[in-house]
Amino acid sequence: DIQMTQSPSSLSASVGDRVTITCQASQDISNYLSWYQQKPGKTPKLLIYDASNLETGVPSRFSGSGSGTDFTFTISSLQPEDIATYYCQQYDNLPYTFGPGTKLEIK
Amino acid sequence: EVQLVESGGGLVQPGGSLRLSCAASGFTVSSNYMSWVRQAPGKGLEWVSVIYSGGSTYYADSVKGRFTISRDNSKNTLYLQMNSLRAEDTAVYYCARARPYFDLWGRGTLVTVSS
Repeated sequence: DIQMTQSPSSLSASVGDRVTITCQASQDISNYLSWYQQKPGKTPKLLIYDASNLETGVPSRFSGSGSGTDFTFTISSLQPEDIATYYCQQYDNLPYTFGPGTKLEIK
Repeated sequence: EVQLVESGGGLVQPGGSLRLSCAASGFTVSSNYMSWVRQAPGKGLEWVSVIYSGGSTYYADSVKGRFTISRDNSKNTLYLQMNSLRAEDTAVYYCARARPYFDLWGRGTLVTVSS
Protein backbone atom coordinates (compact mmCIF):
# COMPACT_ATOMS: atom_id res chain seq x y z
CA ASP A 1 0.00 0.00 0.00
CA ILE A 2 1.09 3.57 -0.64
CA GLN A 3 1.60 5.51 2.59
CA MET A 4 0.84 9.22 2.67
CA THR A 5 2.40 11.59 5.17
CA GLN A 6 1.55 15.23 5.79
CA SER A 7 3.29 18.02 7.60
CA PRO A 8 2.67 19.79 9.76
CA SER A 9 -0.05 17.90 11.63
CA SER A 10 -1.37 21.21 12.93
CA LEU A 11 -0.80 24.81 12.05
CA SER A 12 -1.76 28.17 13.52
CA ALA A 13 -1.64 31.21 11.26
CA SER A 14 -3.02 34.73 11.01
CA VAL A 15 -5.60 36.04 8.58
CA GLY A 16 -3.80 37.09 5.42
CA ASP A 17 -0.86 34.71 5.93
CA ARG A 18 0.43 32.41 3.24
CA VAL A 19 -0.03 28.83 4.44
CA THR A 20 1.76 25.78 3.03
CA ILE A 21 1.12 22.10 3.74
CA THR A 22 3.27 19.31 2.36
CA CYS A 23 2.29 15.77 1.49
CA GLN A 24 4.67 12.94 0.69
CA ALA A 25 3.88 9.59 -0.89
CA SER A 26 5.86 6.44 -0.11
CA GLN A 27 6.32 5.79 -3.83
CA ASP A 28 5.92 7.62 -7.13
CA ILE A 29 2.25 8.48 -7.74
CA SER A 30 2.82 10.78 -10.73
CA ASN A 31 0.26 13.56 -10.30
CA TYR A 32 -2.58 11.36 -8.99
CA LEU A 33 -3.10 13.40 -5.87
CA SER A 34 -6.06 15.35 -4.52
CA TRP A 35 -6.60 17.72 -1.60
CA TYR A 36 -9.74 17.96 0.54
CA GLN A 37 -11.00 20.44 3.09
CA GLN A 38 -13.12 19.25 6.00
CA LYS A 39 -14.67 21.84 8.27
CA PRO A 40 -15.69 20.72 11.78
CA GLY A 41 -18.78 18.53 11.65
CA LYS A 42 -18.99 18.78 7.86
CA THR A 43 -18.43 16.60 4.82
CA PRO A 44 -15.04 16.65 3.07
CA LYS A 45 -14.87 18.92 0.03
CA LEU A 46 -12.63 18.44 -2.99
CA LEU A 47 -10.33 21.42 -3.57
CA ILE A 48 -7.54 20.19 -5.87
CA TYR A 49 -7.23 17.16 -8.16
CA ASP A 50 -4.42 15.85 -10.34
CA ALA A 51 -2.05 17.65 -7.95
CA SER A 52 -2.63 21.14 -9.31
CA ASN A 53 -6.10 21.44 -10.87
CA LEU A 54 -8.53 23.65 -8.98
CA GLU A 55 -12.01 22.15 -8.63
CA THR A 56 -14.78 24.29 -10.10
CA GLY A 57 -16.03 26.90 -7.68
CA VAL A 58 -13.03 26.74 -5.35
CA PRO A 59 -11.45 30.12 -4.61
CA SER A 60 -8.21 30.86 -6.45
CA ARG A 61 -6.31 31.46 -3.19
CA PHE A 62 -6.04 27.65 -2.99
CA SER A 63 -3.40 25.96 -5.12
CA GLY A 64 -1.45 22.74 -5.39
CA SER A 65 1.79 21.62 -6.94
CA GLY A 66 4.16 18.71 -7.16
CA SER A 67 4.57 15.33 -8.80
CA GLY A 68 6.18 12.00 -8.05
CA THR A 69 6.40 11.75 -4.27
CA ASP A 70 6.38 15.35 -3.03
CA PHE A 71 3.41 17.69 -3.12
CA THR A 72 2.49 21.09 -1.75
CA PHE A 73 -0.83 22.71 -0.94
CA THR A 74 -0.94 26.48 -0.50
CA ILE A 75 -3.44 29.06 0.68
CA SER A 76 -2.11 32.37 -0.61
CA SER A 77 -3.98 34.57 1.87
CA LEU A 78 -5.64 32.82 4.79
CA GLN A 79 -9.29 33.70 5.43
CA PRO A 80 -11.30 32.99 8.62
CA GLU A 81 -13.52 30.53 6.71
CA ASP A 82 -10.48 28.40 5.86
CA ILE A 83 -10.40 26.93 9.36
CA ALA A 84 -10.55 23.21 8.70
CA THR A 85 -8.57 20.01 8.47
CA TYR A 86 -6.91 19.39 5.12
CA TYR A 87 -6.22 15.93 3.71
CA CYS A 88 -4.20 14.76 0.75
CA GLN A 89 -5.15 11.52 -1.02
CA GLN A 90 -3.50 9.38 -3.67
CA TYR A 91 -5.47 7.59 -6.37
CA ASP A 92 -2.61 6.12 -8.35
CA ASN A 93 -3.09 2.66 -6.86
CA LEU A 94 -5.65 0.78 -4.83
CA PRO A 95 -6.15 0.95 -1.95
CA TYR A 96 -6.72 4.69 -2.21
CA THR A 97 -5.00 6.24 0.80
CA PHE A 98 -5.32 9.53 2.62
CA GLY A 99 -2.79 11.51 4.55
CA PRO A 100 -3.41 11.87 8.31
CA GLY A 101 -4.60 15.46 7.92
CA THR A 102 -3.40 18.94 8.84
CA LYS A 103 -5.53 20.91 11.27
CA LEU A 104 -5.45 24.60 10.48
CA GLU A 105 -6.34 27.18 13.11
CA ILE A 106 -6.44 30.96 13.18
CA LYS A 107 -3.89 32.65 15.42
CA GLU B 1 -29.50 18.84 -8.16
CA VAL B 2 -26.51 16.52 -8.08
CA GLN B 3 -26.35 14.88 -4.66
CA LEU B 4 -25.82 11.75 -2.62
CA VAL B 5 -27.91 10.85 0.42
CA GLU B 6 -26.85 8.02 2.73
CA SER B 7 -29.10 6.10 5.07
CA GLY B 8 -29.12 2.91 7.11
CA GLY B 9 -26.69 3.71 9.88
CA GLY B 10 -27.38 3.00 13.52
CA LEU B 11 -26.36 1.06 16.60
CA VAL B 12 -25.49 -2.59 16.11
CA GLN B 13 -23.92 -5.21 18.36
CA PRO B 14 -20.50 -6.69 17.61
CA GLY B 15 -20.90 -9.51 15.12
CA GLY B 16 -24.05 -7.98 13.69
CA SER B 17 -24.92 -6.76 10.23
CA LEU B 18 -26.09 -3.53 8.66
CA ARG B 19 -26.79 -2.37 5.12
CA LEU B 20 -26.07 1.20 4.14
CA SER B 21 -27.76 2.86 1.18
CA CYS B 22 -26.69 5.86 -0.86
CA ALA B 23 -29.31 7.36 -3.15
CA ALA B 24 -27.95 9.41 -6.01
CA SER B 25 -29.68 12.15 -7.94
CA GLY B 26 -28.59 14.26 -10.87
CA PHE B 27 -26.25 11.63 -12.31
CA THR B 28 -26.16 7.90 -13.00
CA VAL B 29 -24.47 5.66 -10.43
CA SER B 30 -23.81 2.85 -12.90
CA SER B 31 -21.87 5.15 -15.24
CA ASN B 32 -19.45 6.20 -12.53
CA TYR B 33 -16.96 4.77 -10.09
CA MET B 34 -18.55 4.91 -6.63
CA SER B 35 -16.86 4.51 -3.27
CA TRP B 36 -17.44 4.30 0.43
CA VAL B 37 -15.12 6.25 2.73
CA ARG B 38 -15.35 6.17 6.51
CA GLN B 39 -14.19 8.34 9.37
CA ALA B 40 -13.94 7.03 12.92
CA PRO B 41 -14.79 9.56 15.64
CA GLY B 42 -12.04 12.16 15.88
CA LYS B 43 -9.93 10.37 13.26
CA GLY B 44 -8.97 10.80 9.63
CA LEU B 45 -10.49 9.53 6.41
CA GLU B 46 -10.21 5.87 5.39
CA TRP B 47 -11.19 4.50 2.00
CA VAL B 48 -13.36 1.39 2.33
CA SER B 49 -14.48 0.15 -1.07
CA VAL B 50 -15.05 1.04 -4.73
CA ILE B 51 -17.28 -0.30 -7.47
CA TYR B 52 -16.26 0.52 -11.02
CA SER B 53 -18.71 1.32 -13.78
CA GLY B 54 -17.98 -2.08 -15.28
CA GLY B 55 -18.95 -3.76 -12.01
CA SER B 56 -15.54 -4.69 -10.59
CA THR B 57 -15.28 -4.24 -6.84
CA TYR B 58 -12.34 -3.66 -4.50
CA TYR B 59 -11.98 -3.41 -0.75
CA ALA B 60 -9.63 -2.21 1.95
CA ASP B 61 -7.93 -5.11 3.71
CA SER B 62 -9.64 -4.08 6.95
CA VAL B 63 -13.09 -4.94 5.55
CA LYS B 64 -12.33 -7.56 2.90
CA GLY B 65 -14.51 -10.64 3.32
CA ARG B 66 -16.93 -8.81 5.63
CA PHE B 67 -18.26 -5.91 3.53
CA THR B 68 -19.87 -6.02 0.08
CA ILE B 69 -20.41 -3.05 -2.19
CA SER B 70 -23.17 -3.20 -4.77
CA ARG B 71 -25.58 -1.01 -6.71
CA ASP B 72 -29.15 -1.12 -7.98
CA ASN B 73 -29.23 0.56 -11.35
CA SER B 74 -33.03 0.80 -11.39
CA LYS B 75 -32.97 2.73 -8.13
CA ASN B 76 -29.76 4.64 -8.90
CA THR B 77 -28.56 3.59 -5.46
CA LEU B 78 -25.27 2.36 -4.01
CA TYR B 79 -25.13 -0.09 -1.11
CA LEU B 80 -22.67 -1.35 1.46
CA GLN B 81 -23.57 -4.62 3.16
CA MET B 82 -21.57 -4.87 6.38
CA ASN B 83 -21.35 -8.22 8.18
CA SER B 84 -19.40 -9.43 11.22
CA LEU B 85 -19.15 -5.87 12.47
CA ARG B 86 -16.47 -4.97 14.99
CA ALA B 87 -16.04 -2.06 17.39
CA GLU B 88 -13.35 -0.66 15.11
CA ASP B 89 -15.92 -0.31 12.30
CA THR B 90 -17.59 2.48 14.28
CA ALA B 91 -17.47 5.53 12.01
CA VAL B 92 -19.36 7.94 9.84
CA TYR B 93 -19.69 6.28 6.45
CA TYR B 94 -19.69 8.53 3.40
CA CYS B 95 -20.53 7.52 -0.13
CA ALA B 96 -18.64 9.41 -2.79
CA ARG B 97 -18.41 9.61 -6.54
CA ALA B 98 -14.88 8.64 -7.61
CA ARG B 99 -13.32 10.26 -10.62
CA PRO B 100 -11.21 8.53 -9.14
CA TYR B 101 -10.67 11.52 -6.85
CA PHE B 102 -13.81 12.08 -4.78
CA ASP B 103 -15.64 15.04 -6.27
CA LEU B 104 -19.06 14.49 -4.73
CA TRP B 105 -19.76 13.33 -1.17
CA GLY B 106 -22.87 12.54 0.79
CA ARG B 107 -23.43 13.87 4.30
CA GLY B 108 -22.62 10.52 5.83
CA THR B 109 -24.37 8.06 8.10
CA LEU B 110 -23.12 7.05 11.54
CA VAL B 111 -22.53 3.39 12.33
CA THR B 112 -21.90 2.53 15.97
CA VAL B 113 -20.83 -1.00 16.87
CA SER B 114 -21.25 -1.56 20.58
CA SER B 115 -22.85 -3.93 23.05
